[in-house]
Amino acid sequence: GDSVTQMEGPVTLSEEAFLTINCTYTATGYPSLFWYVQYPGEGLQLLLKATKADDKGSNKGFEATYRKETTSFHLEKGSVQVSDSAVYFCALTDTGRRALTFGSGTRLQVQP
Amino acid sequence: DGGITQSPKYLFRKEGQNVTLSCEQNLNHDAMYWYRQDPGQGLRLIYYSQIVNDFQKGDIAEGYSVSREKKESFPLTVTSAQKNPTAFYLCASSMGPENQPQHFGDGTRLSIL
Repeated sequence: GDSVTQMEGPVTLSEEAFLTINCTYTATGYPSLFWYVQYPGEGLQLLLKATKADDKGSNKGFEATYRKETTSFHLEKGSVQVSDSAVYFCALTDTGRRALTFGSGTRLQVQP
Repeated sequence: DGGITQSPKYLFRKEGQNVTLSCEQNLNHDAMYWYRQDPGQGLRLIYYSQIVNDFQKGDIAEGYSVSREKKESFPLTVTSAQKNPTAFYLCASSMGPENQPQHFGDGTRLSIL
């Protein structure tokens, strides 16, 4: 079945550092890809999405490019802030059920 | 504002009891989903519904039941058959097509007394 693999956390960075969170996937067909963010005690918020190969999703300074050849969707941000501290989930849409398959999440801690 | 409302935020269950988690959306979305989140893990699909009066089991449906009698409502019952119910439960909805993102509620944390 479909699966998503994310880099293990926590990732600890200083403010203004560059962020990369790796995400690779296994799926049949061409799923849509998403990054969600979760703050403590809350639900998930959509951060960005890409629906076809070579699409770049972007939002709030975060970017990710749908790479079909490497089956990857890595999340990047040029300069992180303390307020970016959260758990980040990579996910894909199961084309059959149209439900999301999630990675295990990566906790980001940004220190001032 | 449109959104998804889950209630209650915290819920406690005694052994042998069934409990029902509420999920209501006013986004006019056709599809609704229930996920379970355990500490340090991703979300796993419990049940989903693409249309009113129809729903399907997800990956971990044992010990759970749902109904979809109205478009805006998708309650989840955690039955006594669910042996390890302590978790964070998240409800989501979407317009349906796979390229549309899911919108999530703020979750219900269920604990066993």
